[in-house]
Amino acid sequence: NAGVTQTPKFRILKIGQSMTLQCAQDMNHNYMYWYRQDPGMGLKLIYYSVGAGITDKGEVPNGYNVSRSTTEDFPLRLELAAPSQTSVYFCASSAGLATYEQYFGPGTRLTVT
Amino acid sequence: AQTVTQSQPEMSVQEAETVTLSCTYDTSENNYYLFWYKQPPSRQMILVIRQEAYKQQNATENRFSVNFQKAAKSFSLKISDSQLGDTAMYFCAFMTRGGSQGNLIFGKGTKLSVKP
Repeated sequence: NAGVTQTPKFRILKIGQSMTLQCAQDMNHNYMYWYRQDPGMGLKLIYYSVGAGITDKGEVPNGYNVSRSTTEDFPLRLELAAPSQTSVYFCASSAGLATYEQYFGPGTRLTVT
Repeated sequence: AQTVTQSQPEMSVQEAETVTLSCTYDTSENNYYLFWYKQPPSRQMILVIRQEAYKQQNATENRFSVNFQKAAKSFSLKISDSQLGDTAMYFCAFMTRGGSQGNLIFGKGTKLSVKP
């Protein structure tokens, strides 16, 4: 199993550009999450999904969109990138809530200049 | 709102010694889970240990153990026989049991350096 994979590993965007961060998992997990980690901080939840076709906002959703058309994939879309979105983005998945471990991808480092 | 506080931004320990990382949290919930995650320089987030709030017994995983004090809302991590590979950022995290989203609330982390 590859676990949770994320692409790209690094990206530099200009202000106002858009991009999609890809996330895929091969563990047949229903639950998937997007977090961001700002320098010197812990992770904060952007969006989550409890299954294909179902998504909802987390703590810091502004400036992002998600979709979940399949169990495996959970892409994160950045529209009109801003310097405040410079961060490391982590995708995670779990088989269930709370009692189940969240498995994290390796992260995507995004810089917006 | 739940918050997680890690009061030690950085710590260091000699190889083979024991170190304790502190974590306190604030919540009005009674049922919840607490976690310690390790983030080495590779950035990968790795679950170290998990504690269910309804269990009185402290969790242990090999060299890692916790001291869970529910009344004090304290959840410290003890690493015994520290190894060079333990060098990493350590994050304490909280999750409400029965919540609809499984949202992990993270502290700011403690940077641990294990010295040879």
